[in-house]
Amino acid sequence: EAGVVQSPRYKIIEKKQPVAFWCNPISGHNTLYWYRQNLGQGPELLIRYENEEAVDDSQLPKDRFSAERLKGVDSTLKIQPAELGDSAVYLCASSFGDRGYEQYFGPGTRLTVT
Amino acid sequence: QKEVEQDPGPLSVPEGAIVSLNCTYSNSAFQYFMWYRQYSRKGPELLMYTYSSGNKEDGRFTAQVDKSSKYISLFIRDSQPSDSATYLCAMSVANTGNQFYFGTGTSLTVIP
Repeated sequence: EAGVVQSPRYKIIEKKQPVAFWCNPISGHNTLYWYRQNLGQGPELLIRYENEEAVDDSQLPKDRFSAERLKGVDSTLKIQPAELGDSAVYLCASSFGDRGYEQYFGPGTRLTVT
Repeated sequence: QKEVEQDPGPLSVPEGAIVSLNCTYSNSAFQYFMWYRQYSRKGPELLMYTYSSGNKEDGRFTAQVDKSSKYISLFIRDSQPSDSATYLCAMSVANTGNQFYFGTGTSLTVIP
């Protein structure tokens, strides 16, 4: 069974530029999560989708971050414009049904904003 | 005060040692307790989860939850160099994908 797929793995951009990250969850997993992990910290939830619906986006900085999961499968997270403080690893995770305690993570996208 | 506290280490042990990793928490509503392993430049990998109090064993790994003390532990027996990684605890209130609260992770090195 394929795991959570993310791309790109690494991205370096200048501040004020836009950037997008893509995630394809494990097949059949209806819940998808985007996390941000700063160096030396645990992941912090940005947004959670149940199928196509964003059910928890309270931690998403909505002035510059946006996300979509149009067909309830893969998802895109966008930052526009990027700031220096956005440098972090962006992780995507997925889970099935009511097993939210079993979240499976992708390898992450390491973003560096210069 | 953070919801979840975890000693960041680093922790260095000889091969074959028993390793104890710990987290404390403040929210008594937490019901699910997870341990993840994260290798450098990789995503977190789920090791184990426990519901409510008690012990759970999986091979060389044992997870313990003491809700009365708000304290959870992960024990690794017969530690191997391949166990060298950062170990993250995570907790949530419910099973339906409610927000995970992660510790900061403990960096472990097992020396051959």
